[in-house]
Amino acid sequence: GENVEQHPSTLSVQEGDSAVIKCTYSDSASNYFPWYKQELGKGPQLIIDIRSNVGEKKDQRIAVTLNKTAKHFSLHITETQPEDSAVYFCAASGSTGGFKTIFGAGTRLFVKA
Amino acid sequence: GAVVSQHPSRVICKSGTSVKIECRSLDFQATTMFWYRQFPKQSLMLMATSNEGSKATYEQGVEKDKFLINHASLTLSTLTVTSAHPEDSSFYICSARGTGRGQGEQFFGPGTRLTVL
Repeated sequence: GENVEQHPSTLSVQEGDSAVIKCTYSDSASNYFPWYKQELGKGPQLIIDIRSNVGEKKDQRIAVTLNKTAKHFSLHITETQPEDSAVYFCAASGSTGGFKTIFGAGTRLFVKA
Repeated sequence: GAVVSQHPSRVICKSGTSVKIECRSLDFQATTMFWYRQFPKQSLMLMATSNEGSKATYEQGVEKDKFLINHASLTLSTLTVTSAHPEDSSFYICSARGTGRGQGEQFFGPGTRLTVL
């Protein structure tokens, strides 16, 4: 089945700097890659997603890139702000396993003011 | 759009009792709902997938008789933790995927924190 690895587990950046979180997946049939932000005590919130027919997608300060050949995808947050501090999860899904979403282990992002 | 609610947000119960958690899609019809549990500082673990009008599909290692799932309508799924024990204490999160939504797209509820004394 699908396996998603996520790095780093913890990331600390200064306010205004960029943050990059990387994920790799194992199932070449996966074709949908969402990113979720989870604040303490809350459910995950979809912040951006990308499908396998696209290499890059951007939404204001957030961008995601996908390299299907290498089976890895990354989240880029620019001009980080303290309110970006949260746990971020990458995920992958596809036809294998009935479109179940497999999550990475999460990255705890700290943005220092 | 795409709002999912859960009730209750927090519940404390005694060991041996049963607890029901509701998951509702408020502005769309959810053909598929998912139930996850999350332990502190860990990722989400999928427990089961439920499709409206059919039996839930449980992940390996999840006891179907202990975690009863009902998806009776396109906007409501319930998870009942039967004979709860302290080790069932966790954060339970549901998500929903709607008809006409892009493949794979899910929206999550705010979660329910269960504490079993």
